[in-house]
Amino acid sequence: GAGVSQTPSNKVTEKGKYVELRCDPISGHTALYWYRQSLGQGPEFLIYFQGTGAADDSGLPNDRFFAVRPEGSVSTLKIQRTERGDSAVYLCASSPGGAGSYNSPLHFGNGTRLTVT
Amino acid sequence: TQLLEQSPQFLSIQEGENLTVYCNSSSVFSSLQWYRQEPGEGPVLLVTVVTGGEVKKLKRLTFQFGDARKDSSLHITAAQPGDTGLYLCAGGGADGLTFGKGTHLIIQP
Repeated sequence: GAGVSQTPSNKVTEKGKYVELRCDPISGHTALYWYRQSLGQGPEFLIYFQGTGAADDSGLPNDRFFAVRPEGSVSTLKIQRTERGDSAVYLCASSPGGAGSYNSPLHFGNGTRLTVT
Repeated sequence: TQLLEQSPQFLSIQEGENLTVYCNSSSVFSSLQWYRQEPGEGPVLLVTVVTGGEVKKLKRLTFQFGDARKDSSLHITAAQPGDTGLYLCAGGGADGLTFGKGTHLIIQP
């Protein structure tokens, strides 16, 4: 079956611009996660959705970052006034787990590589 | 914040050799997951361990969860070039799923 799909696979933008990154999770997965991975590092947690609501957004670095999941499936990560330090691979993952599903295995997409020039 | 330290950071060995990589923390985790990531792709789950002292085997890979559920190890027997990749451990707990920085493993033919 289809896995987690992320688009675009690559995005180059100028400093100060706005970007949107999209994630299509595995059908039926209620939990959705966004992570950011810098070169040579492990994934860094950004936000976790359970259904339509953000259950934990403690990893968002500042108020330029925002994510939505209006119908409980597709999610969009939005970054305003991008900075060069935002350059990284943004990974999305989904899981079939319900509430308290942090221990459930995650199914990752291949990520969006964001480059801010 | 729960931190996971992985060692070594980089490891390059010859095909056929054995190796062990480690994942350590001062925090207790309710579960620990190991992932493998190849360039340009997302991490792929290898195994989940949940019980202190648990040992799981996946072909030539042996995973162990420490008795105190603070650390884990991954042992690979007779490594093959196809084992090359970034190996990530991730601990599950009250703060969610926390990843280590990974071990970059290269198996040379």
